[in-house]
Amino acid sequence: GAVVSQHPSRVICKSGTSVKIECRSLDFQATTMFWYRQFPKQSLMLMATSNEGSKATYEQGVEKDKFLINHASLTLSTLTVTSAHPEDSSFYICSARGGEADTQYFGPGTRLTVL
Amino acid sequence: AQSVTQLGSHVSVSEGALVLLRCNYSSSVPPYLFWYVQYPNQGLQLLLKYTSAATLVKGINGFEAEFKKSETSFHLTKPSAHMSDAAEYFCAVSVALGNFNKFYFGSGTKLNVKP
Repeated sequence: GAVVSQHPSRVICKSGTSVKIECRSLDFQATTMFWYRQFPKQSLMLMATSNEGSKATYEQGVEKDKFLINHASLTLSTLTVTSAHPEDSSFYICSARGGEADTQYFGPGTRLTVL
Repeated sequence: AQSVTQLGSHVSVSEGALVLLRCNYSSSVPPYLFWYVQYPNQGLQLLLKYTSAATLVKGINGFEAEFKKSETSFHLTKPSAHMSDAAEYFCAVSVALGNFNKFYFGSGTKLNVKP
């Protein structure tokens, strides 16, 4: 099946710094990628939909100026958490729409810890 | 509106016993339905999906699910549990939005397999 990678897998940063997370589709082109956040013992919550070459579409309640999304190519989307705070600590997972419009393939996730 | 309800946040079975994880959905349009599995600190892996073809869907690792429109259900089953099946399982419904599908996830069911 389609493979999606994320980097880094784990990051610890100080409060106030910015962190960039990369999401890559390794063996297919993804015109659309999705960013999710998962808090402990909870389900995935969609944060935003990232379209190659255009602005991301954010879900209600997600601050677009805090969570910057760039989808510069058909295989790469980045999520930058700006001025991170402890409450931003979470598991961030990206997914990419595969060859079939109805299926998403998920990355392994990035564990962000903000001290 | 779309939503997914997973009954039982924790399910415990003995090795070799039947696995039944329940999922009910609500959708204003014909749904696409999915089951994903998540191992600790990993992303989601697609187990199986229903996209309006056969109502009984077979997936990986011996899992299968049956779409029952009259009951708005998509329960996941496996005849004989294995220790390696211990993980968290998420049911999801997707809805077409233009040229991609938006996913709505259930709250997850953690499966424990006892020796």
